[in-house]
Amino acid sequence: DTEVTQTPKHLVMGMTNKKSLKCEQHMGHRAMYWYKQKAKKPPELMFVYSYEKLSINESVPSRFSPECPNSSLLNLHLHALQPEDSALYLCASSQLDMGQSSDTQYFGPGTRLTVL
Amino acid sequence: AQSVTQLGSHVSVSEGALVLLRCNYSSSVPPYLFWYVQYPNQGLQLLLKYTTGATLVKGINGFEAEFKKSETSFHLTKPSAHMSDAAEYFCAVSRRTGGFKTIFGAGTRLFVKA
Repeated sequence: DTEVTQTPKHLVMGMTNKKSLKCEQHMGHRAMYWYKQKAKKPPELMFVYSYEKLSINESVPSRFSPECPNSSLLNLHLHALQPEDSALYLCASSQLDMGQSSDTQYFGPGTRLTVL
Repeated sequence: AQSVTQLGSHVSVSEGALVLLRCNYSSSVPPYLFWYVQYPNQGLQLLLKYTTGATLVKGINGFEAEFKKSETSFHLTKPSAHMSDAAEYFCAVSRRTGGFKTIFGAGTRLFVKA
């Protein structure tokens, strides 16, 4: 099973709402990632978790709050977003070997977020 | 620092024609190299990767790529395009010594004409 699942597929929220994006994988991967992708652009790394600990935060605004409750799950909590935050949010995972990431990231289908 | 350059934001080919998508990388040490494909409103799917060994790498859907160290290139080819190949293609690079960052190129949109 090389699948990464993400819910919901689509999300529309107002600027005062609080919502969460969810990501799940059952490949035994211990590194999980959040990316943001604007239209016609490559994915931009937001956060990386390794062994359920935050390893990388690419200076993302605090209105995005990641959480890794266990080795299979990754959440992204959203609060007070701006219209410019509308994008496709992609989750990915990869194996870790001796603490080092393997070469391949497996991506989920993404959540299309629209902020009104 | 690593970087990836994809030559041509749009490539258009006729069905049955050769597909060639160009990718050049910059890295102080030989990196891992990848090609991903993204269909509309979907996530990224790995087409193929080069880590070590044979420089000609075969991937899914009939695609292949050749790692040329002397040219710092990793161009993606397919002998005969299908309509279903129309998508966005991303070349990417990551460090061999670990780390979590994959650097993506800007992407190339492939159009296939009937």
